[in-house]
Amino acid sequence: EVQLVESGGGLVQPGRSLRLSCTTSGLSFSNYEMNWVRQAPGKGLEWISNISTSGSRTQYADSVKGRFTISRDNAKNSVFLQISGLRVDDTAFYYCATGGSCPGGGCPDAAYFQYWGQGIPVIVSS
Amino acid sequence: DIQMTQSPSTLSASVGDRVTITCRASQSIRSSLAWYQQRPGNAPKLLIYQVSSLESGVPSRFSGSESGTEFTLTISSLQPDDVATYYCHQYNSYPWTFGQGTKVEI
Repeated sequence: EVQLVESGGGLVQPGRSLRLSCTTSGLSFSNYEMNWVRQAPGKGLEWISNISTSGSRTQYADSVKGRFTISRDNAKNSVFLQISGLRVDDTAFYYCATGGSCPGGGCPDAAYFQYWGQGIPVIVSS
Repeated sequence: DIQMTQSPSTLSASVGDRVTITCRASQSIRSSLAWYQQRPGNAPKLLIYQVSSLESGVPSRFSGSESGTEFTLTISSLQPDDVATYYCHQYNSYPWTFGQGTKVEI
């Protein structure tokens, strides 16, 4: 069974930093691109970041570019999101999600979000 | 950025009804379109990818189709378990974007 478990969220003051982790099991982690998607309270889904299977390529939404950094450790089957300069409008549930299986990388047709974690709340408030 | 305009925003139907949700892309996205179901309090779940490919384990009453830049999710016979919000998602070009969601009620 594929499992993705996020951790590291919580209540944080504006301007501070946070590091989210997502640990996976039940899949060949290095064959999957990884993503972070967030959902503000009562709102829709927003893709925020993607990392390639090797970790050599990253992409960000404009709303988080320069403040968020995605990384991965294939030996630990984990992906991370370093968040700095937190703002009140970063308050959301943060989900990690895999792409479709893509051994070797470079599969644009597999960029949908196949497996999702249960999500973790990040609340930015003074 | 590619805008995904989803309609309707809310849909109320009866058990057994055929339900259709539409998503229109602001420009060509080839066949890079997925649909997700999000039940209240849960994470999203992949239903369909590449317009019409059914994810493993998803009931066959769900189907997807396209006509140009208009994409459709159809539930052939609505079940109580289908109460959820449904999102379309384009992954043709960055930034990847979602429709605003359709809440399905019974």
